[in-house]
Amino acid sequence: EVQLVESGGGLVQPGGSLRLSCAASGFTFSSYWMHWVRQAPGKGLVWVLSFNNDGSNRVYADSVKGRFTVSGDNAKNTLYVQMNSLRAEDTAVYYCSRGAKDRTMDVWGQGTTVTVSS
Amino acid sequence: DIQMTQSPSSVSASVGDRVTITCRASQGISSWLAWYQQKPGKAPKLLISAASSLESGVPSRFSGSGSGTDFTLTINSLQPEDSATYYCQQGNSFPFTFGGGTKVEI
Repeated sequence: EVQLVESGGGLVQPGGSLRLSCAASGFTFSSYWMHWVRQAPGKGLVWVLSFNNDGSNRVYADSVKGRFTVSGDNAKNTLYVQMNSLRAEDTAVYYCSRGAKDRTMDVWGQGTTVTVSS
Repeated sequence: DIQMTQSPSSVSASVGDRVTITCRASQGISSWLAWYQQKPGKAPKLLISAASSLESGVPSRFSGSGSGTDFTLTINSLQPEDSATYYCQQGNSFPFTFGGGTKVEI
């Protein structure tokens, strides 16, 4: 079964850091683009970043550029996002998703919640 | 950045009705358009890719059309389980962008 499982969310103070993980199973992680999308409480979906299959391309939303860093471990089939200098506006459910060939997101994880608050 | 404008923001309809949701891109995106369904507390689910290609397992009452800047998601014969928020997403260029969502109430 194709599956994505996110972890690593939690409560952090403004200016703090968190590392999110996205464990992939049922497919070869390195063969796909992978994306992170977030959703603030009661709000819509917002694309955060994308990471391509061979790791040579990382694309970030302006709102997180310079603060978030994506990486992948092909041996563990796991994607990571290091989030630094967190702000209140980063509070959201963060979803990991698999990129399909037509630039859609065909598999989604259940999400992990990040709360930035003092 | 390409802006995606969805309308209406919410719609209330009855079982068996036809519901139409529109999505307009601020510039041409060819057919790089997807539709997702999201139920409360759940992850989004891909319904339609490439503007009109129905994903495997998605009921045939869902259909998509359009190209360029104007797109439509149609739900024929609305069912109770279709109560959800629907989002469009453009994949023409980074940053990928989503529409603001349309909440469908039964």
